[in-house]
Amino acid sequence: DAGVIQSPRHEVTEMGQEVTLRCKPISGHDYLFWYRQTMMRGLELLIYFNNNVPIDDSGMPEDRFSAKMPNASFSTLKIQPSEPRDSAVYFCASRNPPDRDTGELFFGEGSRLTVL
Amino acid sequence: KNQVEQSPQSLIILEGKNCTLQCNYTVSPFSNLRWYKQDTGRGPVSLTIMTFSENTKSNGRYTATLDADTKQSSLHITASQLSDSASYICVVSVRSNYQLIWGAGTKLIIKP
Repeated sequence: DAGVIQSPRHEVTEMGQEVTLRCKPISGHDYLFWYRQTMMRGLELLIYFNNNVPIDDSGMPEDRFSAKMPNASFSTLKIQPSEPRDSAVYFCASRNPPDRDTGELFFGEGSRLTVL
Repeated sequence: KNQVEQSPQSLIILEGKNCTLQCNYTVSPFSNLRWYKQDTGRGPVSLTIMTFSENTKSNGRYTATLDADTKQSSLHITASQLSDSASYICVVSVRSNYQLIWGAGTKLIIKP
């Protein structure tokens, strides 16, 4: 398996523009997570899905952020409108159900977002 | 409140030297503790997992320890190499809901 695949790797945009980040989880993984990482706050969980259904979106900063998982092999994180404080690295991760194994998270390479 | 604290925040050592990174947690009920390594510009990768009954576990030059009584874990790196330069993140899983509590990480720099 190729692992978790994220795109784009880098995105530079201007304030107010819409940003869409994409993720393909590892085949067979039932859980998908979106994290945001900054120097100041470290890794923060934004939202996670189980079997394509959003389970906990309490980490989504505000209504400008939305996430979807239309099928088991694809998820998007959208920011509209983007603001400079959204600049961060956004990671997608997937895993098996925690009762099936030790619950290791497999991360993608991340999408580095810069909002000017 | 469930929390994970790591120390030091950053560490610089010479190649070939040993080092130990610390992780203290106040997570209950405890399920397991995992150490991740994150290279610059990459996603975190799991190094090792410690369950309640495990005291020590090795993965090559990495040795993790867990003291469930004091709620402390350490990651010891032996004979450091330049490729060990990375951030090391401690994560504790909550048994009741599988929630993950992340530490802020320790940034390790190995100098030649």
